[in-house]
Amino acid sequence: GAVVSQHPSRVICKSGTSVKIECRSLDFQATTMFWYRQFPKQSLMLMATSNEGSKATYEQGVEKDKFLINHASLTLSTLTVTSAHPEDSSFYICSASGVRGNSPLHFGNGTRLTVT
Amino acid sequence: SQKIEQNSEALNIQEGKTATLTCNYTNYSPAYLQWYRQDPGRGPVFLLLIRENEKEKRKERLKVTFDTTLKQSLFHITASQPADSATYLCAPRFYGNNRLAFGKGNQVVVIP
Repeated sequence: GAVVSQHPSRVICKSGTSVKIECRSLDFQATTMFWYRQFPKQSLMLMATSNEGSKATYEQGVEKDKFLINHASLTLSTLTVTSAHPEDSSFYICSASGVRGNSPLHFGNGTRLTVT
Repeated sequence: SQKIEQNSEALNIQEGKTATLTCNYTNYSPAYLQWYRQDPGRGPVFLLLIRENEKEKRKERLKVTFDTTLKQSLFHITASQPADSATYLCAPRFYGNNRLAFGKGNQVVVIP
């Protein structure tokens, strides 16, 4: 089945630093990738949608200058949390979708970010 | 505004029984609905998709129904096993729109 690899699985960083999270589709071409954030016992909150070769579309309330998304190829998208603050500590999950409009999403295993 | 409602209380169920989860949505007219399973600290895994013109869909011990009049989907796990313990998420979706929003999820705990 389709596999999405997300790296790193855990990261601890200091306030003010930047952290990059990678999301790769290993065995299919992902025309669209999504980035979600999940707080404990809460639902997945969509942060942004990225299409290969174009700018990401951010959800309302998500700062595009803080959460930089790059989708340079059909198999790789990156999310960079810039100038991280403790309130950015969360579980970040990427997902990828194939070409068909009703394709199920394939999720990475998430990145637990802790900002100290 | 659009809402997806799933019962926030955990469902504790005896092994072997059928677990039934409910997903209600408002201000949506989804073309289809997906169900996912999420284990703690992991990304969701796709389980089933049901289209608006389908009343019921089955996959092994799983069954999903979709009532567009009631704006509700039911998710059943028959002959439940401890390994079924997880959080189950529903996600209504529209044709031509890749954007997927999720409910908060229903947690299921199967007691041996």
